[in-house]
Amino acid sequence: AQSVAQPEDQVNVAEGNPLTVKCTYSVSGNPYLFWYVQYPNRGLQFLLKYITGDNLVKGSYGFEAEFNKSQTSFHLKKPSALVSDSALYFCAVRDRDNYGQNFVFGPGTRLSVLP
Amino acid sequence: EAGVTQFPSHSVIEKGQTVTLRCDPISGHDNLYWYRRVMGKEIKFLLHFVKESKQDESGMPNNRFLAERTGGTYSTLKVQPAELEDSGVYFCASSRGPGSSYEQYFGPGTRLTVT
Repeated sequence: AQSVAQPEDQVNVAEGNPLTVKCTYSVSGNPYLFWYVQYPNRGLQFLLKYITGDNLVKGSYGFEAEFNKSQTSFHLKKPSALVSDSALYFCAVRDRDNYGQNFVFGPGTRLSVLP
Repeated sequence: EAGVTQFPSHSVIEKGQTVTLRCDPISGHDNLYWYRRVMGKEIKFLLHFVKESKQDESGMPNNRFLAERTGGTYSTLKVQPAELEDSGVYFCASSRGPGSSYEQYFGPGTRLTVT
């Protein structure tokens, strides 16, 4: 069975500092990994995905994530946080080796960037 | 292109009543998904349509929930009769392709409160 863990409910970071939002996953096969962000009163917005190839994936708004197969992790990072990055972040996984197109989501991490 | 839209944005009903949620996917997206987030927990898959056919409804909690997608365009999710534990945010998503590598585009969600 697939599962996703986001070990931190809340991450606080000062504006201008680097940020990391952690995600670890478990799948029986090989993963497709995704990050989504939810701003207040908005739907989930796609940030980036890892399908294959380079382990470092770059996405929207300056975010990037690194796929680490040995640690089964896909942490989201940004070199310099903005106050506008404050939102709820969800990591999601799909097992590419098993048919089934629904995501398995993590519980979400609330990011607060302090001015 | 217009995004995924959902109606209503909020619904407050009493236990035992019926509520119908609507989702309009992005035009041309054959794949439509319903998800639910309850009490701030992880987002859980409910079901997946390919055009008008139910591809996977393994996440539907019980027979009080009925999803339809007549004509393969918009979809409705009916809860009848509603129970207190049905409260949460119901998200709809759509995607262009059938493969697991395709990202899904989410609507803003419908917040359902059952009192």
